[in-house]
Amino acid sequence: ETGVTQTPRHLVMGMTNKKSLKCEQHLGHNAMYWYKQSAKKPLELMFVYSLEERVENNSVPSRFSPECPNSSHLFLHLHTLQPEDSALYLCASSQRRYQETQYFGPGTRLLVL
Amino acid sequence: AQKVTQAQTEISVVEKEDVTLDCVYETRDTTYYLFWYKQPPSGELVFLIRRNSFDEQNEISGRYSWNFQKSTSSFNFTITASQVVDSAVYFCALSEFMYGGSQGNLIFGKGTKLSVKP
Repeated sequence: ETGVTQTPRHLVMGMTNKKSLKCEQHLGHNAMYWYKQSAKKPLELMFVYSLEERVENNSVPSRFSPECPNSSHLFLHLHTLQPEDSALYLCASSQRRYQETQYFGPGTRLLVL
Repeated sequence: AQKVTQAQTEISVVEKEDVTLDCVYETRDTTYYLFWYKQPPSGELVFLIRRNSFDEQNEISGRYSWNFQKSTSSFNFTITASQVVDSAVYFCALSEFMYGGSQGNLIFGKGTKLSVKP
């Protein structure tokens, strides 16, 4: 595997389900990001991790819970989501936190019923 | 206030036409970076170019070229002899210095959807 990978690529879940999105980067980067992309608000930054510490949380509802166990892996745990949370969730990584090129994964298309 | 403006929401061209995607940015920093990303229908954002604020030289990569003009705060992207595979949404983005008000985050424009018809 190369670059940034995300699993699953597609996910359908009910509002009472609990699921997790996984992101893995094979680039040796130290910063990782979660973005949400929907038709209403393209490309919203959700969370930023730098050296495995969460350094930014952009007022994201608590039903989204990130986890970064090491510099290569990033998870987004989902529980009791709402239909408006349906979107494309993109993971990205960069060498360092600031002014570095971010490389994106293919995304997970989430549908909440 | 929106800091990256891509005024063209959608553009449609016929194959082999040249097309320019506009990007205007706003920042108070003297040190910043500008980016272009391509998002094909598959969803992944593909990095195309990164340019720092001190390098105003235009860049050409195959059929792609970029025109950076600090005087007009613009970083436009031209595709020469467009092809159907160029159909995608293109995003321009700005990264200010860490104290520039955006905490160093990438600030994306709303994107321009390019459709290239055969």
